[in-house]
Amino acid sequence: GAGVSQSPSNKVTEKGKDVELRCDPISGHTALYWYRQSLGQGLEFLIYFQGNSAPDKSGLPSDRFSAERTGGSVSTLTIQRTQQEDSAVYLCASITQGTNGYTFGSGTRLTVV
Amino acid sequence: DAKTTQPNSMESNEEEPVHLPCNHSTISGTDYIHWYRQLPSQGPEYVIHGLTSNVNNRMASLAIAEDRKSSTLILHRATLRDAAVYYCILRSGGYQKVTFGTGTKLQVIP
Repeated sequence: GAGVSQSPSNKVTEKGKDVELRCDPISGHTALYWYRQSLGQGLEFLIYFQGNSAPDKSGLPSDRFSAERTGGSVSTLTIQRTQQEDSAVYLCASITQGTNGYTFGSGTRLTVV
Repeated sequence: DAKTTQPNSMESNEEEPVHLPCNHSTISGTDYIHWYRQLPSQGPEYVIHGLTSNVNNRMASLAIAEDRKSSTLILHRATLRDAAVYYCILRSGGYQKVTFGTGTKLQVIP
């Protein structure tokens, strides 16, 4: 696609429920990144994929967070048993060799009530 | 991953030049200096990057110190649309974890 697409754009969920956030990167981009941004804060690295593999999962805050990428394309970030502190904007970005920098999506705003 | 340090906030008058500083004293020889900006309610967008030489594009200029331990993003004529958070990051070739930090929030005063 022309850009990085994230869905849903907004998600309100009850504490304790599971949520899935989706990222469609630019077609053909090798690497895909997930970041989290709490209100008024900077970007917190979560995980990145090179192809379907995740060389660095060090940013995932707890074992309630997991992510996968299939077919070298779409990625899903899953948060189990959501907590209020999970409320944030979750941003996805993709990049490949020969491009100047990351292309970010507009994010998914997650609110846990 | 190498860290960068930026002021939390800066102000500029509209139509005046803005110099946004970034310190990266632990930069390695293979690290490129990248700048991104994040407009309200949007994801960050790429602005410019460089390795050693100063760089210019339609959005901004990047001035890199000779020892590469600092750099400055230059907006030649600030507009209200330039009000954003500006991030300076280091990135070497290939794919790796990249830390964005908290950036500099630029306020442009009419």
